[in-house]
Amino acid sequence: GDSVTQMEGPVTLSEEAFLTINCTYTATGYPSLFWYVQYPGEGLQLLLKATKADDKGSNKGFEATYRKETTSFHLEKGSVQVSDSAVYFCALRGGATNKLIFGTGTLLAVQP
Amino acid sequence: EAGVTQFPSHSVIEKGQTVTLRCDPISGHDNLYWYRRVMGKEIKFLLHFVKESKQDESGMPNNRFLAERTGGTYSTLKVQPAELEDSGVYFCASSRDSLFNEKLFFGSGTQLSVL
Repeated sequence: GDSVTQMEGPVTLSEEAFLTINCTYTATGYPSLFWYVQYPGEGLQLLLKATKADDKGSNKGFEATYRKETTSFHLEKGSVQVSDSAVYFCALRGGATNKLIFGTGTLLAVQP
Repeated sequence: EAGVTQFPSHSVIEKGQTVTLRCDPISGHDNLYWYRRVMGKEIKFLLHFVKESKQDESGMPNNRFLAERTGGTYSTLKVQPAELEDSGVYFCASSRDSLFNEKLFFGSGTQLSVL
């Protein structure tokens, strides 16, 4: 069945460092890909999405490109801030199923 | 516009007890979903309502879990009797449509601890 694999955390970075959180997927068909973020004490929020191959989703300085050839959707940010500290979840929907399927989440801690 | 709200935010119960979680979706959202994250693992789908009907309940772990959505508004998820492995964070989400590229709006979750 469809699945998402993302890098394990925690990821600890200093402020202004470059961030990459790897995400790869397995799916039939042509799913949409998402990154959700959970800030401390809050619910999941959609960070960005891409609905077809080579699309780039972007929001709040974060970017991810839908790479069908490598089945990847890595999250990147050029300069992280302390306020980016959160748990990041990669997800897909619309492969074999219409369910939103998540990865295990990656905890990011940014230190001043 | 109010977001998705969940009650309670935390619940601590003993094994064998019953707990009922509630989710109020965004007004006008026909689609309501329950998900669960168990101790650092992936967030897993439990079930999907379209209005008051269960569209997909393939993720419900066993018959100790009962979800309802009377009248197509708020939903409850009851666990009876609760077991230790039921501990985790239960998320509710809603959306207007069920298209695969539709944005889901999530609540803050209910942290359930079964002792």
